[in-house]
Amino acid sequence: DIQMTQSPSSVSASVGDRVTITCRASQGIGTSLAWYQQRPGKAPKLLIYAASSLQGGVPSRFSGSRSGTEFTLSISSLQPEDFATYFCQQTNSFPPTFGGGTKVEIK
Amino acid sequence: EVQLVEFGGVVVQPGGSLRLSCAASGFNFEDYTMYWVRQLPGKGLEWVSLIRWDGDTTYYADSLEGRFTTSRDNSKKFLYLQMNSLRIEDTALYHCAKATRAGDCSGSRCLFYGMDVWGQGTTVTVSS
Repeated sequence: DIQMTQSPSSVSASVGDRVTITCRASQGIGTSLAWYQQRPGKAPKLLIYAASSLQGGVPSRFSGSRSGTEFTLSISSLQPEDFATYFCQQTNSFPPTFGGGTKVEIK
Repeated sequence: EVQLVEFGGVVVQPGGSLRLSCAASGFNFEDYTMYWVRQLPGKGLEWVSLIRWDGDTTYYADSLEGRFTTSRDNSKKFLYLQMNSLRIEDTALYHCAKATRAGDCSGSRCLFYGMDVWGQGTTVTVSS
């Protein structure tokens, strides 16, 4: 199975800050990566697919990028509704594995 | 509004069976690959299964060891997960989710665009 190592596991930030979350795949997956947001008590929500394609309706402050097997989710200016847990998922091969999650907390 | 609602989660003894259901609305259910994903207590997400739009092709996590079966009824817009020989480690919140894009796919290409809509989940607790 492809292992997805996500870091950091948590980050404290303030409204307006730029936040960056990283996922590293244990082997090459091309651009087959998705990012999800999960607010407490809610279902996960797709933010980014194919490493950098913004899902419809997702604010443009979210962006995704790739460098080799390292993938980054950036939030350019953190908003109150962005405090949540974020997961990456490789969508290259079975089983589609998830990263361990990053909790973005209010500083 | 696109919506997925899961139900059927209960407390069950080890070795027992359970069937989860997922009711879909607000989209052409018959056009989409569907998934089950579980969220282990205090932990992350684990993919369980995938079923193609036509119900003829399914994929499962190896860790399930053939104990779970996914099916669908396109006429009723329902997705199902039959869970047999349940173990304590199957305790989790079970979500159904839909593929981001409609249409046919094969193999791992069914995964590529991710899962754009998820249900809130239904809790399965396996305990004696």
